[in-house]
Amino acid sequence: GQQLNQSPQSMFIQEGEDVSMNCTSSSIFNTWLWYKQDPGEGPVLLIALYKAGELTSNGRLTAQFGITRKDSFLNISASIPSDVGIYFCARRPPNFGNEKLTFGTGTRLTIIP
Amino acid sequence: DTGVSQDPRHKITKRGQNVTFRCDPISEHNRLYWYRQTLGQGPEFLTYFQNEAQLEKSRLLSDRFSAERPKGSFSTLEIQRTEQGDSAMYLCASSSSTVNTEAFFGQGTRLTVV
Repeated sequence: GQQLNQSPQSMFIQEGEDVSMNCTSSSIFNTWLWYKQDPGEGPVLLIALYKAGELTSNGRLTAQFGITRKDSFLNISASIPSDVGIYFCARRPPNFGNEKLTFGTGTRLTIIP
Repeated sequence: DTGVSQDPRHKITKRGQNVTFRCDPISEHNRLYWYRQTLGQGPEFLTYFQNEAQLEKSRLLSDRFSAERPKGSFSTLEIQRTEQGDSAMYLCASSSSTVNTEAFFGQGTRLTVV
């Protein structure tokens, strides 16, 4: 089953607002990934984080790898309609060579007109 | 389009029938993964190939499921004697171990068992 707690489960915001979501785990990991999924499509990688404390941006998106290595957050600034979708965090187990990803349950972002 | 390609995009089948899905990874990627995603959940790992070798299988992959990647390129996922609980999105992803990329996902195959 899922071992990543992702919050909030859903967000309803107005266009132009900033968004923040996070992901926590009870275990330490070496990699945090953030994906976005549109309805009926596969997940698309947004940001990958590999070091504790790392802060990485991709356009209006910013993600950080928590210092404790047990959490990560994703911020979206000045939201636009195409930001609508489901955002998933994912992590890879620490044992070398194991490529299996575990995903969180997702944060569904809706923009209110 | 040089992304991960899955076929078909949608499949409706009657309970008890067999179904087979195909995944064509990004051409230079040697790793290929299958995930399953049910409504309201994140993708769950099913199995993983490096070249033609199947290196890991999840406990989710019951005896009715089989995946192959005979030449280390495209892969097939077969479900025998489908059950209603098999209804889900089946996602394929690929990555490269030589240039250390993260996984890129295909658009998925939506299976509905009626």
